[in-house]
Amino acid sequence: SQQGEEDPQALSIQEGENATMNCSYKTSINNLQWYRQNSGRGLVHLILIRSNEREKHSGRLRVTLDTSKKSSSLLITASRAADTASYFCATVPTGGFKTIFGAGTRLFVKA
Amino acid sequence: GAGVSQSPSNKVTEKGKDVELRCDPISGHTALYWYRQSLGQGLEFLIYFQGNSAPDKSGLPSDRFSAERTGGSVSTLTIQRTQQEDSAVYLCASSIGGRDGYTFGSGTRLTVV
Repeated sequence: SQQGEEDPQALSIQEGENATMNCSYKTSINNLQWYRQNSGRGLVHLILIRSNEREKHSGRLRVTLDTSKKSSSLLITASRAADTASYFCATVPTGGFKTIFGAGTRLFVKA
Repeated sequence: GAGVSQSPSNKVTEKGKDVELRCDPISGHTALYWYRQSLGQGLEFLIYFQGNSAPDKSGLPSDRFSAERTGGSVSTLTIQRTQQEDSAVYLCASSIGGRDGYTFGSGTRLTVV
């Protein structure tokens, strides 16, 4: 089964609103990463948060990590139509390298 | 090169034929992954190479799938006797150390008819 599971599976919002996506995982991790995918092709790395970090920011992105709940959230503030994409979380297990991706959240931002 | 390069970008093959997919990672990246993504789905881990270590092949779905990485650089994923369920986008990614953010190629869309 997938290590990371995103929630919701799909999200539709108006431009300017904030979008929040969640990710849950099962085992202890070294770090958790968020990626974006447009048009079903290559993924783009957005942000990495390590297991000893609780929050990280990058532009309009804010990622939180709660290792006690084994969950993470990605917040996109002031969304734009160009943010329409699928967003995936990926976890790197403690002591390992095999990075596992969740099924993704499909975000649609209406102009 | 500047990014991860995959070829071909699209491949249509007849059921039962063998196919080879190529990945050229970023120079100096020691870690290389292959993933498979079916339409509308997440990424399925296939295989992981790290430097000169033995690859982690635990994600390969059957013995029809194999991969090699020559000289620690270019990798080829081979699917023998292709089946229709092999149709998917095959994505390659590389990273410097294996635990940090990965750079993905644009993928190869394989269609088995």
